[in-house]
Amino acid sequence: NAGVTQTPKFRILKIGQSMTLQCTQDMNHNYMYWYRQDPGMGLKLIYYSVGAGITDKGEVPNGYNVSRSTTEDFPLRLELAAPSQTSVYFCASISRPGASGYTFGSGTRLTVV
Amino acid sequence: DQQVKQNSPSLSVQEGRISILNCDYTNSMFDYFLWYKKYPAEGPTFLISISSIKDKNEDGRFTVFLNKSAKHLSLHIVPSQPGDSAVYFCAASAKSSGDKLTFGTGTRLAVRP
Repeated sequence: NAGVTQTPKFRILKIGQSMTLQCTQDMNHNYMYWYRQDPGMGLKLIYYSVGAGITDKGEVPNGYNVSRSTTEDFPLRLELAAPSQTSVYFCASISRPGASGYTFGSGTRLTVV
Repeated sequence: DQQVKQNSPSLSVQEGRISILNCDYTNSMFDYFLWYKKYPAEGPTFLISISSIKDKNEDGRFTVFLNKSAKHLSLHIVPSQPGDSAVYFCAASAKSSGDKLTFGTGTRLAVRP
């Protein structure tokens, strides 16, 4: 099983550009999450989804958008990139809350210059 | 407001000795606690968890202890091995908030051969 796959692994954006971070899981998990990790900080929740067609904001949603048209895919869209969005982004999934931990992707390192 | 705190950014121990990583939380609604391990350039991987109805959970070399009255949990690794060198994140969730994880800032463990 591939688990949770994130693309791209690295990206440099210019201020004001847009991009989509891709996340796909092959475990038929209903719950999916996007986190960002800034240097020396813990992971902060951006958006999450409890199933296809259902999304909700996390702790730090400003500047981002998500969609969930299928169970497998949960893309994160950055509009008008800002230097404050320089971070490492992790996608995660779980079959149901309380199960034995999220499965995380390997992350996307984004730099906005 | 940091609801999950890991006050030690780093820890160094000798191979074969015990590693103790600590975590404090402030939100009394948290009822499920997890530890994740993270290697550089990889996503976090689930290590061990504990429900608030327990005070100890063991899995091989890893034991998590929960002290609800002190709002404190710890991860014990015995014996420590060089391959345990990684960043360890404590995380907590509450059914009342939809089981979304709140992460600490991490502790970097170095196990010296």
